[in-house]
Amino acid sequence: EIVLTQSPGTLSLSPGERATLSCRASQSVSSSYLAWYQQKPGQAPRLLIYGASSRATGIPDRFSGSGSGTDFTLTISRLEPEDFAVYYCQQYRGTFGQGTKLEIK
Amino acid sequence: QVQLVESGGGLVKPGGSLRLSCAASGFTFSDYYMSWIRQAPGKGLEWVSYISSSGSTIYYADSVKGRFTISRDNAKNSLYLQMNSLRAEDTAVYYCAREGSGVLMVYAVDYWGQGTLVTVSS
Repeated sequence: EIVLTQSPGTLSLSPGERATLSCRASQSVSSSYLAWYQQKPGQAPRLLIYGASSRATGIPDRFSGSGSGTDFTLTISRLEPEDFAVYYCQQYRGTFGQGTKLEIK
Repeated sequence: QVQLVESGGGLVKPGGSLRLSCAASGFTFSDYYMSWIRQAPGKGLEWVSYISSSGSTIYYADSVKGRFTISRDNAKNSLYLQMNSLRAEDTAVYYCAREGSGVLMVYAVDYWGQGTLVTVSS
């Protein structure tokens, strides 16, 4: 089973700053099969990025994904107040990372 | 618009059974793979099971294999999860989830229901 490890566990930043979230796989994952989700308290997750770098419908362009093989990154270029949430990476039909909590500094 | 509405959650004793349902609308249900994904209180996400558009291909996480059964009724636009021999560690919010279009190469869950809480406790 592929294990996805996200870092950092918690990221404290201010609105307007740039956020960089990491997802590392225990073995190579096809870029086509790597997705990122955002989850706010009391809500279901929302798809942000699929295929490692494609934005889902309606996702602002401040969100971008990159990476290949075992190392993937979600970048939020300029944080808005509504971006503070928990972010998960996932390999298609498989394991999720443990999540990164993005909190307001 | 796409809607997924789960029902059937509740409190059940260890060893008991529960059947979750998910009513889908706003899309051609029979065209999509569907999944169940759960989240224990305060914890991360765990994929549980998926079923192909026709129902012919099914897969389970090891943690539920042999105890849970996923099924679908395309005529009723509904997805189900029969959960037997429930354990305390099955306590979680269970989400019904639609997989993205393979034709469009969206290999991810693109829509989620609001979730239904299952609590296994004596």
